[in-house]
Amino acid sequence: DAKTTQPPSMDCAEGRAANLPCNHSTISGNEYVYWYRQIHSQGPQYIIHGLKNNETNEMASLIITEDRKSSTLILPHATLRDTAVYYCIVRLHMEYGNKLVFGAGTILRVKS
Amino acid sequence: DTAVSQTPKYLVTQMGNDKSIKCEQNLGHDTMYWYKQDSKKFLKIMFSYNNKELIINETVPNRFSPKSPDKAHLNLHINSLELGDSAVYFCASSPPVGNTIYFGEGSWLTVV
Repeated sequence: DAKTTQPPSMDCAEGRAANLPCNHSTISGNEYVYWYRQIHSQGPQYIIHGLKNNETNEMASLIITEDRKSSTLILPHATLRDTAVYYCIVRLHMEYGNKLVFGAGTILRVKS
Repeated sequence: DTAVSQTPKYLVTQMGNDKSIKCEQNLGHDTMYWYKQDSKKFLKIMFSYNNKELIINETVPNRFSPKSPDKAHLNLHINSLELGDSAVYFCASSPPVGNTIYFGEGSWLTVV
């Protein structure tokens, strides 16, 4: 699986957009970009994933560059409850046995 | 109506004891996992089962034995507990189509 690089931490003001970058320069053509987050003392939570096109759901937007070597997770209006560790993961889609490999992630602190 | 539930949430036990952590999912998923998050906060996969069959075993010591009585349950039994087994253990599941993984809330194991 391709390796990802994320900043160790970021701060964001409450109500503003949080833009979390991820580099995955060795991504292959059929690998997806996944984002998960882990709020303190909870299990990881799926946010969004994409292959080539930008994606949006009720939680966030995912912007993938045209060369697919980097992506940005956007939380449009961050709240204090969005404070968490955010993980960017690159993964092939498997029939089963999805072995997600978590890195250190980015600690996002949303401040009032 | 928790999707992936684990029990117990907290467990403190002495070295050398044998303990089990139970996991159940009510999502109708075919694949279940056990992940371990150590003191350095890295999440690592331990096991994956698909329809009660072991498909991923990440060189976990033999003292760890997963058991899947049916596809909705994946229990983790640990023999001869060691101090280094202290960690948070997360159960997870994923559907047959798509690769999103849903995690439980974690079981905090402390070996003293």
